[in-house]
Amino acid sequence: DAGVIQSPRHEVTEMGQEVTLRCKPISGHDYLFWYRQTMMRGLELLIYFNNNVPIDDSGMPEDRFSAKMPNASFSTLKIQPSEPRDSAVYFCASSFTGGIGSEQYFGPGTRLTVT
Amino acid sequence: GDSVTQMEGPVTLSEEACLTINCTYTATGYPSLFWYVQYPGEGLQLLLKATKADDKGSNKGFEATYRKETTSFHLEKGSVQVSDSAVYFCALSRNFGNEKLTFGTGTRLTIIP
Repeated sequence: DAGVIQSPRHEVTEMGQEVTLRCKPISGHDYLFWYRQTMMRGLELLIYFNNNVPIDDSGMPEDRFSAKMPNASFSTLKIQPSEPRDSAVYFCASSFTGGIGSEQYFGPGTRLTVT
Repeated sequence: GDSVTQMEGPVTLSEEACLTINCTYTATGYPSLFWYVQYPGEGLQLLLKATKADDKGSNKGFEATYRKETTSFHLEKGSVQVSDSAVYFCALSRNFGNEKLTFGTGTRLTIIP
């Protein structure tokens, strides 16, 4: 398996532009997570899905952020409009409900820079 | 709510030194406990885990024991290598269908030759 795939790996955009980050989870996994990592705030869970349904979006910073999972093999995280403080590495992770202690598999991340 | 507290970094050690990174947790019930590692420029990956009290997780020479009486899951290695330089995250999950992980703040480890 190719693992969790994220695109793009790097994104540089200007303030006010729309940004869309993409994620393909591992086939057969039923949970998908979006995280943000910064030096100041560390690793933050933004939102997670189970069977394509959002379960907890309490970590989404504000209305400028939205996430969708139209099917089991694809998810997007959109920022509109983007701001410099959104600059961070965004990770997608997936897991399978295989019982106690299920492991999350992380993608390589998308490094977002908003100028 | 659930929380994980881990040792503040950064930690710098010489090669072949002993390592301990402390981790304590707060959670109701019987969570599963994890150590994840993040190498430079990469995503996190599971290093080891333990799912019940007194379990010991181990991998790549690292060990951690689930201590319910002290609510701890300290990471240890007897002899570190330069290749162990990374950021280490302690985490817990509640189980019973809730796959959400609660992470600590991470500890950056640098090993010098």
